[in-house]
Amino acid sequence: EVQLWESGGGLIQPGGSLRLSCATSGFTFSRYAMTWVRQAPGKGPEWVSAISYSGGHTYYADSVKGRVTVSRDNSKNTVYLQMNRLRAEDTALYYCARSTFPDYIRPLYGMDVWGQGTTVTV
Amino acid sequence: QSGLTQPPSASGTPGRRVTISCSGSTSNIGSNTVNWYRKLPGTAPKLLIYDNNQRPSGVPDRFSGSKSGTSASLAISGLQSEDEADYYCASWEDSLNGYVFGSGTKVTVL
Repeated sequence: EVQLWESGGGLIQPGGSLRLSCATSGFTFSRYAMTWVRQAPGKGPEWVSAISYSGGHTYYADSVKGRVTVSRDNSKNTVYLQMNRLRAEDTALYYCARSTFPDYIRPLYGMDVWGQGTTVTV
Repeated sequence: QSGLTQPPSASGTPGRRVTISCSGSTSNIGSNTVNWYRKLPGTAPKLLIYDNNQRPSGVPDRFSGSKSGTSASLAISGLQSEDEADYYCASWEDSLNGYVFGSGTKVTVL
């Protein structure tokens, strides 16, 4: 069974840092681009960042560019989101998600498997 | 501010068909595929449609998608009470080099 589970969220002061992790199992992690999406209370989903299957390509929303770094460790089947200089508007439930198809550097065909999310409160 | 515009709400009676529109531009829908998600409170988004009109395994054929130019739509036929949810279109946005979600449509089953 394909599974994703996020961790690392919590309550943090403005200006602080957090590293979110997304551990995975049940599929060949190194073949899939991975994405982070967040949902603030009362709002719709907002794409945050994506990383290609090899880690060689990374993508960021303008709202987090320069403050966030996405990375992955294919030996540990885990993707990370390092968040710095956190702001109140970063408060949200953060999901990681797997691209629908392997071997694409971008999530062009959407994300078919999602974790349950980890909450970040700034 | 989303580059993909959806009507804020849509409704229908059980058994009827409801259609949700998604309006974009040449740099998103016009150049890339459209995906649709369903979002229920307290749960992660669920992919309903990918590549404009393809259903992942397990998604009922009551859900169908289409795309024309810079617009797309999701149709739900045979509306059921469990279809009450928020629905979002999404696509890659070339000008931002990122993925964008639509503004969302709340579907109500009357």
